[in-house]
Formats: sequence, C-alpha cells, structure tokens
Amino acid sequence: DTAVSQTPKYLVTQMGNDKSIKCEQNLGHDTMYWYKQDSKKFLKIMFSYNNKELIINETVPNRFSPKSPDKAHLNLHINSLELGDSAVYFCASSQVGQGSGNTIYFGEGSWLTVV
Amino acid sequence: ELKVEQNPLFLSMQEGKNYTIYCNYSTTSDRLYWYRQDPGKSLESLFVLLSNGAVKQEGRLMASLDTKARLSTLHITAAVHDLSATYFCAVDREYGNKLVFGAGTILRVKS
Repeated sequence: DTAVSQTPKYLVTQMGNDKSIKCEQNLGHDTMYWYKQDSKKFLKIMFSYNNKELIINETVPNRFSPKSPDKAHLNLHINSLELGDSAVYFCASSQVGQGSGNTIYFGEGSWLTVV
Repeated sequence: ELKVEQNPLFLSMQEGKNYTIYCNYSTTSDRLYWYRQDPGKSLESLFVLLSNGAVKQEGRLMASLDTKARLSTLHITAAVHDLSATYFCAVDREYGNKLVFGAGTILRVKS
C-alpha cells in the first residue's frame, strides 16, 4: 500500500491548458507538501499545508493553486501552463511535532511536460 | 536565506573504495536529512539527524552532523554498484520540515 500516492504519474499537455495533480497520503500525517524538481534535479518547496491550513507559500506564480480538502489530500492545480512549468512535482507528507521523528515521505512524482 | 551546498556534485568511484560526501549549510539548524534518488524515481529517506553529534549508520552508509560547523557528512564504506544514485542533503529551514535541498551528488560506482 503506497504511503504517498500521486496521480497522474505522467502528464503531457499544451501551453495554456489547465491541469491538476492529486496527492493522497495514508500515513496519518498532519502536514503535506508540494516540491518541484527542475531539469537540473534541483528540488524546491512550493507549498505546505498543516491540517488543511496553508503554512508555506513560496514564491510561486499565482497560476499554481494548492487545495487541501482534508489532511490526507493535497491537490495542485495549475492554470495557463507555460513551457517553464515542465518539471517533476513531488508530493510529500510528514508528522510535525516533538518526538515525531520528522521523516518526510515523498510520493513517486508527477512528470509534467508542457509542449 | 538558508543555503545548502553539497560537494562533490559528481563522484565516480571504484567498488570497494571509501568516500565522503559533504553538506554545508549557511544558518543555524539542528535538523538535517539525507535522501537517495534513483533515476526516474522518488526520494528515499536515508537518515534524519536531529542533534549535534548525531551519527547514524545503515549498511555501508554513515551520516553525521556537526551543527557548530554547520556540516553533515555521508560516508560510504566499501562502495558497491547498487549504491549508484543521486544523494541529496536537506536542511530544515525552520521548525516544520520546510526543507532546503542541496544540489545533489551523483554517485557512480564502477565495477
């Protein structure tokens, strides 16, 4: 049973389209994240939600909008896709708090290609 | 702004040899993570180091943390081909797992 699962795994779409990536975790964690890995493999946090509340919103274009319907789900919607949005998007989760161990578990990644 | 630097960025080594990957960071933090990523795959958690002097070992990999020097090391003992991957260190920017990643070290172990 996959701990952090994201769909779709691969997505090829045209510029200007709107697309969503979904993420679910079954670890009972209270915090979920979206990270972006670019073509040079550099990883950067985009958003973080704790118990459905947005706690990190890095310098990300407004075209990216996360939504957390509950603490087990964190979706990422992208409007008006641009070529530069092509990347691998990783969802992750952790339990934040004293004694929690703090391991952050990553999903398998969603490979987005904008053409 | 927290910066995390890894070196080397690329490491080619022979099987059986030992080597160390270094991770320096620029501001105070006592939470450091090491991850492994295989090509086209997700990130696998290797170690979480939560205090100064922490040392953890798993198989041929050993990680340590010196918070005063703002340095973590990942030591590889008697490398085998299966260790070929990209290794990332990441530092918690502030309490709450807001990780800042290093650029990654591509490790190739040659038979």
